[in-house]
Amino acid sequence: DGGITQSPKYLFRKEGQNVTLSCEQNLNHDAMYWYRQDPGQGLRLIYYSQIVNDFQKGDIAEGYSVSREKKESFPLTVTSAQKNPTAFYLCASSMISGQVPEAFFGQGTRLTVV
Amino acid sequence: KQEVTQIPAALSVPEGENLVLNCSFTDSAIYNLQWFRQDPGKGLTSLLLIQSSQREQTSGRLNASLDKSSGRSTLYIAASQPGDSATYLCAVRLTGGFKTIFGAGTRLFVKA
Repeated sequence: DGGITQSPKYLFRKEGQNVTLSCEQNLNHDAMYWYRQDPGQGLRLIYYSQIVNDFQKGDIAEGYSVSREKKESFPLTVTSAQKNPTAFYLCASSMISGQVPEAFFGQGTRLTVV
Repeated sequence: KQEVTQIPAALSVPEGENLVLNCSFTDSAIYNLQWFRQDPGKGLTSLLLIQSSQREQTSGRLNASLDKSSGRSTLYIAASQPGDSATYLCAVRLTGGFKTIFGAGTRLFVKA
């Protein structure tokens, strides 16, 4: 089955610790995205990537970092510089152009600071 | 700056009722508009996508319309069922790039 896999489903972070969220897709999509979702708010874009080895900051990139070494993978690191990291994180992918422009989402990772 | 607003924030209806969810956006220069469903603690499932050149899309009991000139989209759900209970989000993909702006969603509860 084609899709997007996020892991882990739940993640706990101690103060001052860096953690990495995994996102893998087998849809052969060019573009990948990371969003943050907080209660009562729309999804906010953290980073996105259109091609391997290239990525751009979204609206709330501070305290986060990403890499895109493979087309299938787009891991997100939440660094200690992110002061309020508790949230639900969603990864998505889409074709850049063509007949299937819709975005597909993973099942999310819930990050909690302990 | 593109802003996406969804009204109402929450909606409770009895089973069998037809209902409309609203989405408005401030900039009509969009590439497409997509409606998603999100169950609690889960990811987003795509329901319908409307390209900027289209007026509506239908899938089963769902119908989504798009009026770019007025900056509005509606999601019509016919004969609602308890299984339709979820949060529905609309998202606008901007032209000239790959950013997608999301609304905060409408939480729907269908009572049996």
